[in-house]
Amino acid sequence: GQSLEQPSEVTAVEGAIVQINCTYQTSGFYGLSWYQQHDGGAPTFLSYNGLDGLEETGRFSSFLSRSDSYGYLLLQELQMKDSASYFCAVREGPAAGNKLTFGGGTRVLVKP
Amino acid sequence: DVKVTQSSRYLVKRTGEKVFLECVQDMDHENMFWYRQDPGLGLRLIYFSYDVKMKEKGDIPEGYSVSREKKERFSLILESASTNQTSMYLCASSTPGGQYNSPLHFGNGTRLTVT
Repeated sequence: GQSLEQPSEVTAVEGAIVQINCTYQTSGFYGLSWYQQHDGGAPTFLSYNGLDGLEETGRFSSFLSRSDSYGYLLLQELQMKDSASYFCAVREGPAAGNKLTFGGGTRVLVKP
Repeated sequence: DVKVTQSSRYLVKRTGEKVFLECVQDMDHENMFWYRQDPGLGLRLIYFSYDVKMKEKGDIPEGYSVSREKKERFSLILESASTNQTSMYLCASSTPGGQYNSPLHFGNGTRLTVT
């Protein structure tokens, strides 16, 4: 089975940098994804790491170390609109129907 | 833009009722998924389907069944609703992905309350 651990909540001020860590134990691993969900909204895709290293998309970056079963999402220049829940998710690969197993989510609260 | 539409935003049902949650996607995606979301537990996979009339159990299939008669539609069925099935239900779709990542596209969810 799959098990993912991430902090439950993080609070930071506007303009700050937040790092959300995700560790996983999996029986199959194809890549690590990150999703953002605002209160009352649908989860939306943010980033994906299939290989070790850093992926940058604007103010957000995601990192993966397969040997450490560890990844993180880095939110830079925090804005109020970044207040949301962030989920890491392990992708099991095409043979498993591309299904994702999600962590419990990290609620990020951005204060003025 | 991919659109995944869930038929109801809020639903209230009684214990023992048979409940149907409907999901339709408009992007000709092969894969469709049903998750439930509970505070602190993240999203847990109930069932998924990678083709018409195909279905695979996820991590928590007990008490649920699914139907996929057409490619664009994936239904979740609660055979006999129980209070512990009170939750937010999220439908999602994606292409198969193959070697490359294929993001999930989620609907807005159905908040089901079983009394």
